[in-house]
Amino acid sequence: QQPVQSPQAVILREGEDAVINCSSSKALYSVHWYRQKHGEAPVFLMILLKGGEQKGHEKISASFNEKKQQSSLYLTASQLSYSGTYFCGTEDETSYDKVIFGPGTSLSVIP
Amino acid sequence: DTAVSQTPKYLVTQMGNDKSIKCEQNLGHDTMYWYKQDSKKFLKIMFSYNNKELIINETVPNRFSPKSPDKAHLNLHINSLELGDSAVYFCASSLGSGDYGYTFGSGTRLTVV
Repeated sequence: QQPVQSPQAVILREGEDAVINCSSSKALYSVHWYRQKHGEAPVFLMILLKGGEQKGHEKISASFNEKKQQSSLYLTASQLSYSGTYFCGTEDETSYDKVIFGPGTSLSVIP
Repeated sequence: DTAVSQTPKYLVTQMGNDKSIKCEQNLGHDTMYWYKQDSKKFLKIMFSYNNKELIINETVPNRFSPKSPDKAHLNLHINSLELGDSAVYFCASSLGSGDYGYTFGSGTRLTVV
């Protein structure tokens, strides 16, 4: 079953912060996050495994609450290069290595 | 060197034709996938192979047939193309086992006219 993402779209000014949420109705093994720019392939950002860990690099980080089957992606001090569509992908506990992607969140960063 | 390469990048063809898309990865990954992205950007898994063995076969018309001659290659053959097959098809690979992210190819934009 496809995870739900919110918001559908967000517009930010450079330097502002954003949070993108992802939730599933199934018990999850992992959550993936990808960014796709227009006309390009999705690019892997990070994976969070069951255990509620938080990950991050530079100004992009994510958390995973396995009890609530939710993950959030945090973008701080946004840059123009952050623009794109962000997809979460979930693997549930009954089907490892089968990533089901959410509908995406369109993020636009303007000067 | 491109990690996951797909050919062709663009494919325009008439209804009823048969076409193939090729995918190769040089990352040494064990698992390869085909995803379809429609005009609304929904990314839907179609197939996955682990070391030449079919693992995932989603509800996809049997006009679509994947073939993996070795673990570095996964091709997609489509028979009797229909208008609704128009989409971007992405190949991806990973180390598998659910613990690793996917590396996607650049995609093949298929247009059926």
